[in-house]
Amino acid sequence: AQKITQTQPGMFVQEKEAVTLDCTYDTSDPSYGLFWYKQPSSGEMIFLIYQGSYDQQNATEGRYSLNFQKARKSANLVISASQLGDSAMYFCAMRASRGFGNEKLTFGTGTRLTIIP
Amino acid sequence: GAVVSQHPSWVICKSGTSVKIECRSLDFQATTMFWYRQFPKQSLMLMATSNEGSKATYEQGVEKDKFLINHASLTLSTLTVTSAHPEDSSFYICSAERDTYEQYFGPGTRLTVT
Repeated sequence: AQKITQTQPGMFVQEKEAVTLDCTYDTSDPSYGLFWYKQPSSGEMIFLIYQGSYDQQNATEGRYSLNFQKARKSANLVISASQLGDSAMYFCAMRASRGFGNEKLTFGTGTRLTIIP
Repeated sequence: GAVVSQHPSWVICKSGTSVKIECRSLDFQATTMFWYRQFPKQSLMLMATSNEGSKATYEQGVEKDKFLINHASLTLSTLTVTSAHPEDSSFYICSAERDTYEQYFGPGTRLTVT
């Protein structure tokens, strides 16, 4: 079974500061993928970044980077130079990568990020 | 980019009626689609996995006779909430799988049962 834990229900960050959203996971699958999604108040799920369990380097996408520490089973999201538009709910998720798709995503409980002007 | 649409975006229905929600992948073929449910201020909970041309796989605790899922083509999956009740009011989100790890989410459908 897979489990995602997000221990920060809410965070307040000053605009332009960097922010780290925590995510730890547990799985027995040797190969898996880790995702971060942003959900603004409109409800849509916006894909931010992906990290494969065998990727040698931490994933980066613009202002987003994933601090992947496999031994600690953590996959924290780092947002640099936060903007007001970053205020949203953020979900960490994972899925097994068994090579044939059809694998479900397991989501954490989310962190509500509020950027303060 | 990959686009997934849902229709309707919001719906209000009376208790006892049925509601159909459509999920379409607009610019790619999706052999697998997923249906999630999200209550206010909670996470997404997977309801079922839908594969084109076969029966859906439901998660434990999800009533398959109440939440009918049909994946008739590689671009369309439908979720029908039968005999809806107020406790079925929720935000329903679908996702479509494009590659072996990428899922693209629809914008969601907000269902309110009165």
